[in-house]
Amino acid sequence: KAGVTQTPRYLIKTRGQQVTLSCSPISGHRSVSWYQQTPGQGLQFLFEYFSETQRNKGNFPGRFSGRQFSNSRSEMNVSTLELGDSALYLCASSLGLAGIIDTQYFGPGTRLTVL
Amino acid sequence: GENVEQHPSTLSVQEGDSAVIKCTYSDSASNYFPWYKQELGKGPQLIIDIRSNVGEKKDQRIAVTLNKTAKHFSLHITETQPEDSAVYFCAARWGGKLIFGQGTELSVKP
Repeated sequence: KAGVTQTPRYLIKTRGQQVTLSCSPISGHRSVSWYQQTPGQGLQFLFEYFSETQRNKGNFPGRFSGRQFSNSRSEMNVSTLELGDSALYLCASSLGLAGIIDTQYFGPGTRLTVL
Repeated sequence: GENVEQHPSTLSVQEGDSAVIKCTYSDSASNYFPWYKQELGKGPQLIIDIRSNVGEKKDQRIAVTLNKTAKHFSLHITETQPEDSAVYFCAARWGGKLIFGQGTELSVKP
């Protein structure tokens, strides 16, 4: 079974621009969660999508948004980029069924650098 | 909200020794505790997990223990090998999301 894939792997943007990152979950997984990883703050939860609906949200500003498509692929968008948005953005997929604790599998991440 | 503390931040051991990483969580509502290993340039990889109704789980050289009363859980790696060198993260599932510890950089010296 193919793992979680993320594209692109690396991105360089300048302040004020916007960026879109993509995540394809493991086949059959309907939940996609996004995390931001930085040396200072560690791994922080951004949001979770299940069946095209945002099911959970972390404490990030509205500049961070996401969506999920009918095939469970997900995108996250960051608008008006700031230097502090430089990070590794990870997505994780899981079955996501209600009432069941299931494992989250991570992709390799997208390394975003904001200049 | 939930808070997860992880110690130590760095750990250096000799090949063949054991390594122990400890985590504490703050909210007793957390019910699932996975451990992830992250190698340079890669995403976190699940190595073992434990649910709140279990006290201990073992998988070959890796074991995890959970003390719900004290709200702490630990990762034990025995017979360490150089390929165990990586950053290890503990996490707690709270409100449907994973809350991560700050990570432990494990170095296994041959």
